[in-house]
Amino acid sequence: DTAVSQTPKYLVTQMGNDKSIKCEQNLGHDTMYWYKQDSKKFLKIMFSYNNKELIINETVPNRFSPKSPDKAHLNLHINSLELGDSAVYFCASSLAGRADTQYFGPGTRLTVL
Amino acid sequence: AQSVTQLGSHVSVSEGALVLLRCNYSSSVPPYLFWYVQYPNQGLQLLLKYTSAATLVKGINGFEAEFKKSETSFHLTKPSAHMSDAAEYFCAVSAEYGNKLVFGAGTILRVKS
Repeated sequence: DTAVSQTPKYLVTQMGNDKSIKCEQNLGHDTMYWYKQDSKKFLKIMFSYNNKELIINETVPNRFSPKSPDKAHLNLHINSLELGDSAVYFCASSLAGRADTQYFGPGTRLTVL
Repeated sequence: AQSVTQLGSHVSVSEGALVLLRCNYSSSVPPYLFWYVQYPNQGLQLLLKYTSAATLVKGINGFEAEFKKSETSFHLTKPSAHMSDAAEYFCAVSAEYGNKLVFGAGTILRVKS
């Protein structure tokens, strides 16, 4: 069984569109994360949620809105997509306060045309 | 604040040769340190982690890393490279019971036959 899953795996869309990426974990973890890996492979945290509450928001444009319907899910909604949003987005999860043991999803490659 | 610097964006070794990937960190608190590996088109996989126990940490696939506080380093080594080791390697740091990982820029390892 997949521990951390993301859908879709690939997403190609036009500038200005709104899109969502879904993440689910079946590990019973309390904390979930979104990371962005840009074209230079630099990996940077965007958001972190603990038990559905936002605990990290790393100066990400407000076009990005994470939503956590329950602690097993953390979805990423992006409004008005821009070319610079093209990247690979990784979801991860861990026990609360245990960023030292994160499990990563397979990534979603977003391409904005 | 915490940061990680990986020296060398690309490292090339011959099959059977020593692998050495360099990582230096900066942290205002005792750090937890990690090495992750990313194979092409895949998510991140934890290789090993240092969490203030033994300074020499052994990980999967024959890799190990040594925490040297005096040098603020956590270099990754493997005595004998295998073709399957070709991937990108990321060093990361977090605070004990911290809530995020801070990644380095990554080092692409190429293994020549």
